[in-house]
Amino acid sequence: EAGVTQFPSHSVIEKGQTVTLRCDPISGHDNLYWYRRVMGKEIKFLLHFVKESKQDESGMPNNRFLAERTGGTYSTLKVQPAELEDSGVYFCASSPRRRNTGELFFGEGSRLTVL
Amino acid sequence: AQSVTQPDIHITVSEGASLELRCNYSYGATPYLFWYVQSPGQGLQLLLKYFSGDTLVQGIKGFEAEFKRSQSSFNLRKPSVHWSDAAEYFCAVGPISGGYNKLIFGAGTRLAVHP
Repeated sequence: EAGVTQFPSHSVIEKGQTVTLRCDPISGHDNLYWYRRVMGKEIKFLLHFVKESKQDESGMPNNRFLAERTGGTYSTLKVQPAELEDSGVYFCASSPRRRNTGELFFGEGSRLTVL
Repeated sequence: AQSVTQPDIHITVSEGASLELRCNYSYGATPYLFWYVQSPGQGLQLLLKYFSGDTLVQGIKGFEAEFKRSQSSFNLRKPSVHWSDAAEYFCAVGPISGGYNKLIFGAGTRLAVHP
């Protein structure tokens, strides 16, 4: 079974540009989460989807961030326009909605560097 | 405020030595506690979790953790460290409700293992 995959693994952009990160969850997992880790600090929650619906986006920093999950499968996280403080590692995780064991399954992360 | 503190940013141990990674949490309700590990080039992987019951829990790769409610701690231990244990370790706390998990992570402890 394929795990959570994220693309790209590393992106370097200039301030003001746009970047789109993609996450493919484990097949059949209704829950999809985005987290972010900035400069070796805590991994912080950004938002949570159940299928295609946003259930909790309380962690989204501001309106420069837009997350979508069309069709309830893969998700994208767009940052437009990017600022220096957006640099960090963006993690995607998924989990099943039924028979939830509490475990989140994480991807390897997408490292974003804004210059 | 809900939070997780991992006091040690970086720990170095010799191969074969014992290990204890500290984790303290602040959480208003009954906590569900987790330890995740991120090895180089990989996503976060669940080592173990505590929901209820026996306060000493066993995980994968020979790790264990003990929940101490009076100290608000959930320290991770391993009796004999292997070189392959070099990684970053994250403690997390959160609710498990409604079929989904919203975790609060600590800043991580990076473990180096000397031969």
